[in-house]
Amino acid sequence: KAGVTQTPRYLIKTRGQQVTLSCSPISGHRSVSWYQQTPGQGLQFLFEYFSETQRNKGNFPGRFSGRQFSNSRSEMNVSTLELGDSALYLCASSLGGINEKLFFGSGTQLSVL
Amino acid sequence: SQQGEEDPQALSIQEGENATMNCSYKTSINNLQWYRQNSGRGLVHLILIRSNEREKHSGRLRVTLDTSKKSSSLLITASRAADTASYFCATDEDSNYQLIWGAGTKLIIKP
Repeated sequence: KAGVTQTPRYLIKTRGQQVTLSCSPISGHRSVSWYQQTPGQGLQFLFEYFSETQRNKGNFPGRFSGRQFSNSRSEMNVSTLELGDSALYLCASSLGGINEKLFFGSGTQLSVL
Repeated sequence: SQQGEEDPQALSIQEGENATMNCSYKTSINNLQWYRQNSGRGLVHLILIRSNEREKHSGRLRVTLDTSKKSSSLLITASRAADTASYFCATDEDSNYQLIWGAGTKLIIKP
């Protein structure tokens, strides 16, 4: 079984731009959740999707959004990038939700200049 | 905001020794999970312990949960160089469907 795939692996953007990150979950997993990891704030929950519905969202501004497609693949979008958005963005998949074993991708390292 | 606090922040021990790291949280939880992260890459699930469980084992790993003290500990016995990594706890609150992460413990195993 293939693992969770995140693309791209690295991304460099400038302030004000927008970015879209992609996550392909393990086959059969219907839950995809996203996390931001920074040296200062640690790991923070962004949002979780299950069967194309967002079930919960962390404490992030509306510039952070996501969606999930019928094949469970998910995308995360950040608009009007700020320097502070530089982080490792991780996605994870599971069968039923975030309260069970999560399988993580390798992450997308986003640098905002 | 993070509710999990982990200590120590960093731990350096000799190969073969045991490593213990602790996680504390603030609210009632459904379960607590431990994950390992190597060099800023994806996290790997280690153990999930439910709020009605007190102890769980997996190979060289032992996790305890004390809900009265709102704390958990992860013990790695007979450490190996490959155990060098950062370890995180994550809790899901029973009142809010969200995963809250601890700050992590950076473990270094010296050969």
